[in-house]
Amino acid sequence: QLQLQESGSGLVKPSQTLSLTCAVSGGSITTTGYSWSWIRQPPGKGLEWIGYIYHSGSTYYNPSLKSRITISLDKSKNQFSLKLTSVTAADTAVYYCARRTSYSGRSFDIWGQGTMVTVSS
Amino acid sequence: DIQLTQSPSSLSASVGDRVTITCQASQGIANFLNWYQQKPGKAPKLLIYDASNLQTGVPSRFSGSGSGTDFTFTISSLQPEDIGTYYCQQYGNLPTFGQGTKVEIK
Repeated sequence: QLQLQESGSGLVKPSQTLSLTCAVSGGSITTTGYSWSWIRQPPGKGLEWIGYIYHSGSTYYNPSLKSRITISLDKSKNQFSLKLTSVTAADTAVYYCARRTSYSGRSFDIWGQGTMVTVSS
Repeated sequence: DIQLTQSPSSLSASVGDRVTITCQASQGIANFLNWYQQKPGKAPKLLIYDASNLQTGVPSRFSGSGSGTDFTFTISSLQPEDIGTYYCQQYGNLPTFGQGTKVEIK
């Protein structure tokens, strides 16, 4: 059973960089047909797709965040990461990592439990 | 960006009621639409993919239909465990989500 687990800094100061990692267990991030995604949810609000990465290293980012985002893979550790630079209070959210499948409607079929990140001085 | 507009934003219904949520896309997306359920404090869960296909393990009281710009999600008989917020998500272009519909028990 594939599982995803987010980890990283829960409190980030304004203008600094948010860094999160998603550890994948029970399967390989190099399996064909899947990409690895980040999605966030500000408190009390809806879901916002951030971006995803294929095992080839190709990335796709939300245009509204593109200038501040980097998503990368670490195949040796079977994990992927998110860096978001120049954060503000508007970046305060629960951050989820998720698997995006090509086999069920390009949907996000497996999610991590989410990790709360607060931007505050 | 392809925008998704869900309605209603919230609803309250009785156990056993039929519940319907609509999702309208700002441009045609064929059947490239998925539905998720999110319970309070939990990650979203995939229910329906490709507009009408039930994800493995999801109860058959959940269903979806539609294509192009207009989509419908239905719970045929609302159960207490169905409370939560439901989101549509399109993949006709880069992914976007609807704003969500909160479902409560009357």
